Amino acid sequence: DSGVTQTPKHLITATGQRVTLRCSPRSGDLSVYWYQQSLDQGLQFLIQYYNGEERAKGNILERFSAQQFPDLHSELNLSSLELGDSALYFCASSAHSGVGANVLTFGAGSRLTVL
Amino acid sequence: TQLLEQSPQFLSIQEGENLTVYCNSSSVFSSLQWYRQEPGEGPVLLVTVVTGGEVKKLKRLTFQFGDARKDSSLHITAAQTGDTGLYLCAVDRGSTLGRLYFGRGTQLTVWP
Repeated sequence: DSGVTQTPKHLITATGQRVTLRCSPRSGDLSVYWYQQSLDQGLQFLIQYYNGEERAKGNILERFSAQQFPDLHSELNLSSLELGDSALYFCASSAHSGVGANVLTFGAGSRLTVL
Repeated sequence: TQLLEQSPQFLSIQEGENLTVYCNSSSVFSSLQWYRQEPGEGPVLLVTVVTGGEVKKLKRLTFQFGDARKDSSLHITAAQTGDTGLYLCAVDRGSTLGRLYFGRGTQLTVWP
């Protein structure tokens, strides 16, 4: 157990639908990151939050959005789903600053299948 | 062109064999990380290399950072079935620490 908790582990839905993926970071970590892993693109950075605020954006589609709540858990919302959105979505967390800031602890991922 | 090119893409070997996988780039990096990802799990950090020419050992795994800090290698001695997994190299991108760029990985399968 990495200490980063992601739910659900598996999700099957239809095109056009909307889903929410949830992540609880490791205790004490203030930064949360979302990554997408697909066969086509590999593991790609989507977005980062630090203590409730958006810090960095990567290749995140406009149909996707995220937020981090006061208790530091984060949610990734995916809407108007397309077949190509089928992928593994990982959440990771890290210390807020200093030497450990780029040491990520990943959750086990949420596997999204869009039919 | 990928920022990080990992080779080989797939490697299938028998237990007891030695192997080396590579992570190459034309860019210079301040540090480079290696992760291993097992089926159904997220990537797990193995090591971070920082200094050009640095060699780090983790049991049977030896990691080397190129002198010019553009490339890295991972050597496994006497591979075991438990070494099976996807080996990913990653570097920090942009001004935000933790925004990692990953290579496509080397899928290693070790057969008994």
